[in-house]
Amino acid sequence: AQSVAQPEDQVNVAEGNPLTVKCTYSVSGNPYLFWYVQYPNRGLQFLLKYITGDNLVKGSYGFEAEFNKSQTSFHLKKPSALVSDSALYFCAALAGDSSYKLIFGSGTRLLVRP
Amino acid sequence: DGGITQSPKYLFRKEGQNVTLSCEQNLNHDAMYWYRQDPGQGLRLIYYSQIVNDFQKGDIAEGYSVSREKKESFPLTVTSAQKNPTAFYLCASTQLGSSGASNTGELFFGEGSRLTVL
Repeated sequence: AQSVAQPEDQVNVAEGNPLTVKCTYSVSGNPYLFWYVQYPNRGLQFLLKYITGDNLVKGSYGFEAEFNKSQTSFHLKKPSALVSDSALYFCAALAGDSSYKLIFGSGTRLLVRP
Repeated sequence: DGGITQSPKYLFRKEGQNVTLSCEQNLNHDAMYWYRQDPGQGLRLIYYSQIVNDFQKGDIAEGYSVSREKKESFPLTVTSAQKNPTAFYLCASTQLGSSGASNTGELFFGEGSRLTVL
């Protein structure tokens, strides 16, 4: 079965420190991968995507993600965390069939302390 | 401004009642989706539609129904058959590629509707 895993329910980091939110995937074919962020009682906002090309993808608000095919991972990173980055982060992958639907991970709550 | 509008934002329902959640988009997107969000479970796909008058079941379609009579509208009905309907419901849309089968674009989400069964 196709799936996306986010092994950490919560990540805690001090403001100014680098952050990493982990994601691994299991989909057929070439993966199309996404990161979204959600603030309380809001919809999801798109951060970045990997389709093809450079393994390091840059996105909104200073976030970036590194695609690693051998490890089937797509970890989200930011060099210097802000308190305002505190939110719920979702990794998603395009299902490897003929339909266009995203499979989401369970989400990781990022808490950045001042 | 272009976007996706979900209504109502909050809804309370008594057991045994059907309720309909509205989702309207003015992005001219082909595909629309309904996801359910529960704490610690991420987003699970209920139904999706890639073209008017056609839709497919997602992973948790039981107890739900949809229609796609217009390109811009994809309402979701939560029926009394849904055993545990209290959740946050998210509608999304995207533009499909020329092949109609897939696209590399991201999903655009509405602000969600929170349904509580009393």
